[in-house]
Amino acid sequence: SQTIHQWPATLVQPVGSPLSLECTVEGTSNPNLYWYRQAAGRGLQLLFYSVGIGQISSEVPQNLSASRPQDRQFILSSKKLLLSDSGFYLCAWSVSWDRGRQTKGGLYGYTFGSGTRLTVV
Amino acid sequence: KQEVTQIPAALSVPEGENLVLNCSFTDSAIYNLQWFRQDPGKGLTSLLLIQSSQREQTSGRLNASLDKSSGRSTLYIAASQPGDSATYLCAVNSGYSTLTFGKGTMLLVSP
Repeated sequence: SQTIHQWPATLVQPVGSPLSLECTVEGTSNPNLYWYRQAAGRGLQLLFYSVGIGQISSEVPQNLSASRPQDRQFILSSKKLLLSDSGFYLCAWSVSWDRGRQTKGGLYGYTFGSGTRLTVV
Repeated sequence: KQEVTQIPAALSVPEGENLVLNCSFTDSAIYNLQWFRQDPGKGLTSLLLIQSSQREQTSGRLNASLDKSSGRSTLYIAASQPGDSATYLCAVNSGYSTLTFGKGTMLLVSP
């Protein structure tokens, strides 16, 4: 069965410090991977998604970046954290979409990790 | 741009009641719709997934319906229990990389 791991669970970091959150998926290959942020009262916002190694798409301009060094590893980073980066960060995966065969992906849902609570102080 | 709205934002009911959570979306061109549960400080747990060609899905005391043409979905919870207390999120999959979430319904079931 497929599992998704995300760590750390909580993190308190000072403003201006770097950030690295990691997410790994087991039991599947070539998944689509996603980073979401959940801020209080603002719902879930897609930050980045990746359809393959080294392929990253950003949904919103921000102080964060993402990388996918391996097929089932997705990393969220920042060089210098801002207070506004505080929030609950969630990693997710879904079955990969094939261009031109998008109906395949429609048969499957998203699976989320347990999240990282980031507080920037 | 797809927009998802969930009503009500919060709901408080006594144990044993049947209840309905509502989700509406603006663009009916969807692949599927997924209902999630989120406990405080935790990740999202998938409850039900409805494909665009389906009308409903059931799992235990949960039943989700989908009316794609009108842009609506409902989550029906039968015989609610205190353990059902959580935030319920509706998410619409409009293609390739786009899963759009509502802001959720916070449910409190009191014993």
